[in-house]
Amino acid sequence: NAGVMQNPRHLVRRRGQEARLRCSPMKGHSHVYWYRQLPEEGLKFMVYLQKENIIDESGMPKERFSAEFPKEGPSILRIQQVVRGDSAAYFCASSPTQQTGTARYTFGSGTRLTVV
Amino acid sequence: AQSVTQLDSQVPVFEEAPVELRCNYSSSVSVYLFWYVQYPNQGLQLLLKYLSGSTLVKGINGFEAEFNKSQTSFHLRKPSVHISDTAEYFCAVSDGTGNQFYFGTGTSLTVIP
Repeated sequence: NAGVMQNPRHLVRRRGQEARLRCSPMKGHSHVYWYRQLPEEGLKFMVYLQKENIIDESGMPKERFSAEFPKEGPSILRIQQVVRGDSAAYFCASSPTQQTGTARYTFGSGTRLTVV
Repeated sequence: AQSVTQLDSQVPVFEEAPVELRCNYSSSVSVYLFWYVQYPNQGLQLLLKYLSGSTLVKGINGFEAEFNKSQTSFHLRKPSVHISDTAEYFCAVSDGTGNQFYFGTGTSLTVIP
């Protein structure tokens, strides 16, 4: 029974390139959440998605960042034209239903993005 | 809106000594409270959570926490720490109907041999 799978574990991008981070939720979970952890800080909420829907993107930067959770396949967090300040660990979590929410969160191991 | 304050950014403690990591929160509604541990270059592992019921919550690895509504606190304790407890510890809050966490900035626990 695999947990939340994130890949790649480590990603290095040059400034101006695009970064794509993938998240496959736990089996039976249809709700996905993305968080960002900047160096020396706690995690901050970015976006909450269900299949084919963005439910809450209040934590997403207004430019260059986008997220999707298609009907088939993993959720994707996309960062266009990366800058050094995007260097962080990006964590995905999933839960089975909207009602359970944080009570049933499971976090993945994260993707560590380094922009050089 | 919710917020979390972890009062100590770094806590050094000798092996087999007790430890308390402090967490205070602010919220205008009833909350769920959580403690997570993060080992270097790893993801978050749930230590324990308070959803309702008994205010004393026991978690994994011998940790426990007490929910104190009047003081809006949820301090984490362990009576005797081990070297393997060296890690970053995060307190988090969410409201009962919400779907996101508000995390504290973390406490780095270092266990000294």
